[in-house]
Amino acid sequence: DTEVTQTPKHLVMGMTNKKSLKCEQHMGHRAMYWYKQKAKKPPELMFVYSYEKLSINESVPSRFSPECPNSSLLNLHLHALQPEDSALYLCASSQVDRHYGYTFGSGTRLTVV
Amino acid sequence: GENVEQHPSTLSVQEGDSAVIKCTYSDSASNYFPWYKQELGKRPQLIIDIRSNVGEKKDQRIAVTLNKTAKHFSLHITETQPEDSAVYFCAATLSGTGNQFYFGTGTSLTVIP
Repeated sequence: DTEVTQTPKHLVMGMTNKKSLKCEQHMGHRAMYWYKQKAKKPPELMFVYSYEKLSINESVPSRFSPECPNSSLLNLHLHALQPEDSALYLCASSQVDRHYGYTFGSGTRLTVV
Repeated sequence: GENVEQHPSTLSVQEGDSAVIKCTYSDSASNYFPWYKQELGKRPQLIIDIRSNVGEKKDQRIAVTLNKTAKHFSLHITETQPEDSAVYFCAATLSGTGNQFYFGTGTSLTVIP
C-alpha cells in the first residue's frame, strides 16, 4: 500500500459545527503532516508529527486541533471555523529522517458556511 | 528559516517546445529539492527530486539541475504535451526532525496544442 488516504473528500460545515478530518497510511511512515492549501497557492504547513508526537505547530489557531492516535492515523479536529478557513486540507507522510516517499493524500475540500 | 522563490508564476508554451522553471533558496544547509505537479482539483504529486550531492537528474522528458553555489535549481520539461499543463511547485528542505518542506509559490504551466 503506497497511498495516503484522506476522508472525507468533501466537507461543508457551519461555523458552530465540530467535525474531524481523517488521514491514514500503511507505509510504515513515522512522520505525518497537515497542510492547508488555498486556490493557486502552495501548500502551507500546519502541523508535523514525528513518532506520534507533535513536533511542529506553525502557529495554527486553536480551532484546529491535531491528533495522532497511532503511527498510521492522523486526525484534524475542527471547531468554530471561519469562512476563511475554507481550503483544501492535505495530509502527507514520510519517513522521519528521509524525504523520498513524501506522499500527499488526495485532500479534503472544506467549505465553511 | 528557508525562503524559496519560484519563477515564472505563469508560463505558456507551444506543444513540443521546452519549459523551464527556476527556483532559488536561501538556506545553504538545504539538501533535498523535490518538484511537485498539481493538476486542478488533485493532490500534489512528486515528479522528480534531487539531492545536494548531485548536479543533475533526468527522467525521460523531465530533468532537474542544481547549482549549490548559486543556490538555485531548475525544472526542465522537453517536448511538452498538453497533459503537462498543471501547477508546478518546487520545494527545499533540510534533513532532520520534522522534514518541513518550504514550497515555492508555484508556476502555472499551459501547453498550447
